[in-house]
Amino acid sequence: ILNVEQSPQSLHVQEGDSTNFTCSFPSSNFYALHWYRWETAKSPEALFVMTLNGDEKKKGRISATLNTKEGYSYLYIKGSQPEDSATYLCALPFFGNEKLTFGTGTRLTIIP
Amino acid sequence: DSGVTQTPKHLITATGQRVTLRCSPRSGDLSVYWYQQSLDQGLQFLIQYYNGEERAKGNILERFSAQQFPDLHSELNLSSLELGDSALYFCASSVAGQSYNEQFFGPGTRLTVL
Repeated sequence: ILNVEQSPQSLHVQEGDSTNFTCSFPSSNFYALHWYRWETAKSPEALFVMTLNGDEKKKGRISATLNTKEGYSYLYIKGSQPEDSATYLCALPFFGNEKLTFGTGTRLTIIP
Repeated sequence: DSGVTQTPKHLITATGQRVTLRCSPRSGDLSVYWYQQSLDQGLQFLIQYYNGEERAKGNILERFSAQQFPDLHSELNLSSLELGDSALYFCASSVAGQSYNEQFFGPGTRLTVL
């Protein structure tokens, strides 16, 4: 069983502040890591797929880093806006096949 | 809009019944995945198809089955429904079904079993 852990479980952040949260995973047999944003009443939206140790990806105010040797990825949001309120999920393929195991997510609420 | 479509959006049925959920992948995507999200659980992978063939299987119950047709759309069949099958069922697609391919999710079908 692939154990994907996300922390914190939930987070309240003042609008305009920056924030980050973590996805932890077993460092052996790493293939790829996916980040998704899931807004209430919508479907998960792909943010990044990361494959290489030291990878850093950016999309607007959101960025992510990957450390496969120690088994973690950080997601950063700069200058939080109300539309960033969502659950952020990370997921990893199980033993290199396409079956994704999802973490339980970090629920982010931006306070106006 | 991800380009993945799912029908119906909502489905209400009774225990013991059988339903079929339908998914059309994004144009050009060959791989389709089915996920279940129950109230007390996160997204659980059910099954994956690639170009018509089953590629990977998760914790899918024997009462559930799926297939991918030559036009690449997929159907998930749920039979002998139980109250615990009430959940949001998502379909996702990716271009080639590799572990590093982004998966694009459809809007989901909310199944309520009464």
